[in-house]
Amino acid sequence: DVKVTQSSRYLVKRTGEKVFLECVQDMDHENMFWYRQDPGLGLRLIYFSYDVKMKEKGDIPEGYSVSREKKERFSLILESASTNQTSMYLCATQGNTGELFFGEGSRLTVL
Amino acid sequence: AQRVTQPEKLLSVFKGAPVELKCNYSYSGSPELFWYVQYSRQRLQLLLRHISRESIKGFTADLNKGETSFHLKKPFAQEEDSAMYYCALSGLGGGADGLTFGKGTHLIIQP
Repeated sequence: DVKVTQSSRYLVKRTGEKVFLECVQDMDHENMFWYRQDPGLGLRLIYFSYDVKMKEKGDIPEGYSVSREKKERFSLILESASTNQTSMYLCATQGNTGELFFGEGSRLTVL
Repeated sequence: AQRVTQPEKLLSVFKGAPVELKCNYSYSGSPELFWYVQYSRQRLQLLLRHISRESIKGFTADLNKGETSFHLKKPFAQEEDSAMYYCALSGLGGGADGLTFGKGTHLIIQP
């Protein structure tokens, strides 16, 4: 079974703090993604990566950055958290069939 | 630009009744369509994809290119079908830019 592990299930941060969300996969998949999930808005792609040290902007990259230093790890960084970044963040990897495999999610609250 | 539209935010049906969750897409090329499901407190997971042409948990979905639709259907709803359902589209045959998701439909099966 594919395992996608997100390091933090719940985080509470203050406005202006730097936030790291980490995602690790054990299936040697090249493609990894960060989405945010909001009620009524569905899933929106923030950033994705198709190889180590490679990254591409998704639909809503503003306020976020990413890091892919190793194939198995894809980190999402909020340089200065704001209240409108309160959300559920989902990491996913993509297998050879195109299917996405998701982590359990990280629920971030910014006060 | 590719787009996925799920017109119903919420769909409530009685157990044993037929279910149809609507999905329409906009894409100029040849898309690949998916349905993902998220049960309460579980991670998002693939339910089915149009190229497989298979029935999963009694659900089927047929790609209608003329109507640009990929509606999800089940003849007899069960209480365990209650969940959040997302339709998704890949514009590059499952390529490295991830999937575009609809806003989701919350399906509630009443006893």
